[in-house]
Amino acid sequence: ETGVTQSPTHLIKTRGQQVTLRCSSQSGHNTVSWYQQALGQGPQFIFQYYREEENGRGNFPPRFSGLQFPNYSSELNVNALELDDSALYLCASSFRGNRAEKLFFGSGTQLSVL
Amino acid sequence: KQEVTQIPAALSVPEGENLVLNCSFTDSAIYNLQWFRQDPGKGLTSLLLIQSSQREQTSGRLNASLDKSSGRSTLYIAASQPGDSATYLCAVDGATNKLIFGTGTLLAVQP
Repeated sequence: ETGVTQSPTHLIKTRGQQVTLRCSSQSGHNTVSWYQQALGQGPQFIFQYYREEENGRGNFPPRFSGLQFPNYSSELNVNALELDDSALYLCASSFRGNRAEKLFFGSGTQLSVL
Repeated sequence: KQEVTQIPAALSVPEGENLVLNCSFTDSAIYNLQWFRQDPGKGLTSLLLIQSSQREQTSGRLNASLDKSSGRSTLYIAASQPGDSATYLCAVDGATNKLIFGTGTLLAVQP
């Protein structure tokens, strides 16, 4: 167990809907990153949050947005869902500035868009 | 733009065999490289992290090496076991914990 928890574990939505995924970071970690993993692919970086602000973003459209709260937990919001958004969404926590530390991932949220 | 490639895409070996998984990256300006294990439909478990100044790291039956100049890393698994069956991913960190992943190697260890 990594101490990073994600909810829900599975989610089914229809095209055009909106979804919110949640992540609680490991104790002592102040940075949360979100990744999207399509079937058979490696995870792709969506964005990272540090001290409640976005700190870097991958090649994802603005309908992917996020929040980080004072307790360092985080949400990923996706608006106007598309079929290609079906994927495993992974959250990872870390302590900014300590690059000698492994990145700790949650078990992910499996999103299916029908 | 950093690109990470893993070879082979899939590997099947009999139990007890030693094996090597390969990872290559195009930009040698990295801070570290991590190897992860992923079981089907699950999250990632970090196995080994190699800092850019290091050549290798070991944990139990696992040994990872890093050659930054040639853009290569290998993960060596000794005396493989059926429980080692999983997808193995390598990822490079070129900025603060923003990892770029390869597509993984699917390993099956046959009893």
